[in-house]
Amino acid sequence: DAGVIQSPRHEVTEMGQEVTLRCKPISGHDYLFWYRQTMMRGLELLIYFNNNVPIDDSGMPEDRFSAKMPNASFSTLKIQPSEPRDSAVYFCASREGSSYNEQFFGPGTRLTVL
Amino acid sequence: SQQGEEDPQALSIQEGENATMNCSYKTSINNLQWYRQNSGRGLVHLILIRSNEREKHSGRLRVTLDTSKKSSSLLITASRAADTASYFCATDGRGGADGLTFGKGTHLIIQP
Repeated sequence: DAGVIQSPRHEVTEMGQEVTLRCKPISGHDYLFWYRQTMMRGLELLIYFNNNVPIDDSGMPEDRFSAKMPNASFSTLKIQPSEPRDSAVYFCASREGSSYNEQFFGPGTRLTVL
Repeated sequence: SQQGEEDPQALSIQEGENATMNCSYKTSINNLQWYRQNSGRGLVHLILIRSNEREKHSGRLRVTLDTSKKSSSLLITASRAADTASYFCATDGRGGADGLTFGKGTHLIIQP
């Protein structure tokens, strides 16, 4: 398996623009997680899905952030409009089954909002 | 909010020495995990220890868990230059919480 795939790997955009980050989880994994990593706040859970259904979005910072999982093999995280403070590395991770199993992380998308 | 807090924040040792990193957390857990992150890369899972376990080994890694003190340690024996990375502890929560809460990590540098 290719592992968790994220695209793009790098994104530079201007404030106010819409940004869409994409994730393909490992086939057969029924949990998908979105995390954000910054120097100031470290790694934070934004939202996670189970069987394509959002379970906990309490970590989503603002209404400008939204996430979808239209099917088992694809998820998006959208920021509209983007702001400079959204600059971070965004990671997607997937997991099979219970919380006693490890999460597999993608390589991340480094977002820079100018 | 940060659940786990790693200590030290940075550690530099000579190749071949052992490296010990500590992690403290605040709430009850089902399990605690350690991850490694190489510069500019994603996280790689190292080891998971359940709340009813006290010690676990995997190759050169040894993890301990003390739930009474809400703390864990990661020991890397016979360190290698390739072990240079940031190491994070992560906890889940009881009651079905599935997302992980990460500490801010220990940056480990192995001097050749």
